[in-house]
Amino acid sequence: GAVVSQHPSRVICKSGTSVKIECRSLDFQATTMFWYRQFPKKSLMLMATSNEGSKATYEQGVEKDKFLINHASLTLSTLTVTSAHPEDSSFYICSARDPSDSGSTDTQYFGPGTRLTVL
Amino acid sequence: GDSVTQMEGPVTLSEEACLTINCTYTATGYPSLFWYVQYPGEGLQLLLKATKADDKGSNKGFEATYRKETTSFHLEKGSVQVSDSAVYFCALSDGRYNTDKLIFGTGTRLQVFP
Repeated sequence: GAVVSQHPSRVICKSGTSVKIECRSLDFQATTMFWYRQFPKKSLMLMATSNEGSKATYEQGVEKDKFLINHASLTLSTLTVTSAHPEDSSFYICSARDPSDSGSTDTQYFGPGTRLTVL
Repeated sequence: GDSVTQMEGPVTLSEEACLTINCTYTATGYPSLFWYVQYPGEGLQLLLKATKADDKGSNKGFEATYRKETTSFHLEKGSVQVSDSAVYFCALSDGRYNTDKLIFGTGTRLQVFP
């Protein structure tokens, strides 16, 4: 199956700083990636849909200026949490579909997640 | 809008017990249905899926059948193991377009004891 990686796996930062999280599709090209946030013992909340070469589509209630998404290439999307605060501490997960896999175009493959802790 | 409802957990079982985790959905079209599993400290992994009515998805001893008449996709396993302890998410996706979202249920935590 398709492989999606994330970096870093864990990050601790001070309040007020910015943190960048990378999401890569390792063996396929992804024109669309998705960014989720997962709160403890809760389900995944879709934050935004990242589109290669164009602006991301944000879900209602997600601050665009707070969570900057850049999909610079067909294998890389980045999420930057700007001016992070303790309430931004969470588990951030990305996913992507492999459009070349005719049998699984409806399947999203998830990265292992990034745990962000803001002190 | 489309939605997924899962039974609340945690589900606590002894090893070799039978498992059923209920999942029902609401959708305007004919979505694809998925079960994802999340092991402690890890991201989500696709467990199984079904793309049309009466399809049965299966993997690692788990099964789920796409029931259009009852709008359900219950997850079952005949004999669970300690290593099955994880959080299980039911999800649906329209799937016709590359940008289609996955809609998740709230997740059900399974705890299996020896």
